[in-house]
Amino acid sequence: QKEVEQDPGPLSVPEGAIVSLNCTYSNSAFQYFMWYRQYSRKGPELLMYTYSSGNKEDGRFTAQVDKSSKYISLFIRDSQPSDSATYLCAMSGGNNRLAFGKGNQVVVIP
Amino acid sequence: DGGITQSPKYLFRKEGQNVTLSCEQNLNHDAMYWYRQDPGQGLRLIYYSHIVNDFQKGDIAEGYSVSREKKESFPLTVTSAQKNPTAFYLCASSIGGSNQPQHFGDGTRLSIL
Repeated sequence: QKEVEQDPGPLSVPEGAIVSLNCTYSNSAFQYFMWYRQYSRKGPELLMYTYSSGNKEDGRFTAQVDKSSKYISLFIRDSQPSDSATYLCAMSGGNNRLAFGKGNQVVVIP
Repeated sequence: DGGITQSPKYLFRKEGQNVTLSCEQNLNHDAMYWYRQDPGQGLRLIYYSHIVNDFQKGDIAEGYSVSREKKESFPLTVTSAQKNPTAFYLCASSIGGSNQPQHFGDGTRLSIL
């Protein structure tokens, strides 16, 4: 079983819809969780950084962490064509490294 | 502006040739990382360094080498021993500490001639 599982998609949604992305993980040592957005031919850009279980909001983005289920989610409200990108989850458990999901491609259709 | 600069953006390597990818950061970050990204495989860690003059192998270090002589710089050399070097290479840095988020440059795409 891989440490971090993320459905690669692609996920296509109409403009204005809510995008729902998730990752599951197996290592209970993971305590810090991140979401990155990566546009084609660019480096990943940090979107959200969370520690505790629960929700964190930043504008149209909400990150959700459920440590008991080893499950994290990212929601994008009122999706825009500019949200079309690959979204990667990442997590850390104190070993000086991040564990990444493989990324989920999202396409927002105007 | 503070950030991470990778150069060149595109690089071509001939068979049997070593090439060096540049990574410079002005964020005053202690830790720096190199990843390789292939389609469908996500990010794989090549090398990382948490302090000047010290670095550790990641998961796929064979065929690669690094140096960390300055805090700001972490160049990656792809040697001729790396038989499948065609990939997108990403450099990242973080403040330091195990749980800090990493910030990425815009990558170098390496191809074989």
